[in-house]
Amino acid sequence: GAVVSQHPSWVICKSGTSVKIECRSLDFQATTMFWYRQFPKQSLMLMATSNEGSKATYEQGVEKDKFLINHASLTLSTLTVTSAHPEDSSFYICSASFLYEQYFGPGTRLTVT
Amino acid sequence: AQSVTQLGSHVSVSEGALVLLRCNYSSSVPPYLFWYVQYPNQGLQLLLKYTTGATLVKGINGFEAEFKKSETSFHLTKPSAHMSDAAEYFCAVGEDGQNFVFGPGTRLSVLP
Repeated sequence: GAVVSQHPSWVICKSGTSVKIECRSLDFQATTMFWYRQFPKQSLMLMATSNEGSKATYEQGVEKDKFLINHASLTLSTLTVTSAHPEDSSFYICSASFLYEQYFGPGTRLTVT
Repeated sequence: AQSVTQLGSHVSVSEGALVLLRCNYSSSVPPYLFWYVQYPNQGLQLLLKYTTGATLVKGINGFEAEFKKSETSFHLTKPSAHMSDAAEYFCAVGEDGQNFVFGPGTRLSVLP
């Protein structure tokens, strides 16, 4: 139980375009989901906390207009990287909170060319 | 505020040897502690967790960790390393499933 999926698993896009990443809790409802970013050989850095039905809470230094988060249902949160640039290339991981734990998705590798 | 340190960004052990990955934390409230493993280009897999109760916690793949409040530590051990254990390991402290803080990670290499 407590499975989280992400789609796509990897994506390549051109600079200036937007990319949407989906995070789904498959067998439980998650009122809170989290979005992390991970650079090579580094730890996870929390970008934002996504609450169903309300605005996301962004960590300091994360541009909310660039990283749009929507948590429209109890099983789906989306992260849209707008006007992507090469420096946005990274591994994005989502997680969903359930029973005092966070369950992580498999991650999405974004490459901006 | 919570924080996590992991001593040793890279640990190498021989196959069959003891694995010891160190984690120290700080937390203003009783911590929930976690160890995750990450293989290349994959998400995080939970190895084990401590919430309350028994301080020695057993996890998957033969790993275990002991919560020592006096030392603010939660070190991860495995008696005998296997080649498949080579991966990145992250210690994390969290509050009720929220506000997770991850350590910097330790890359484990297992030598034949």
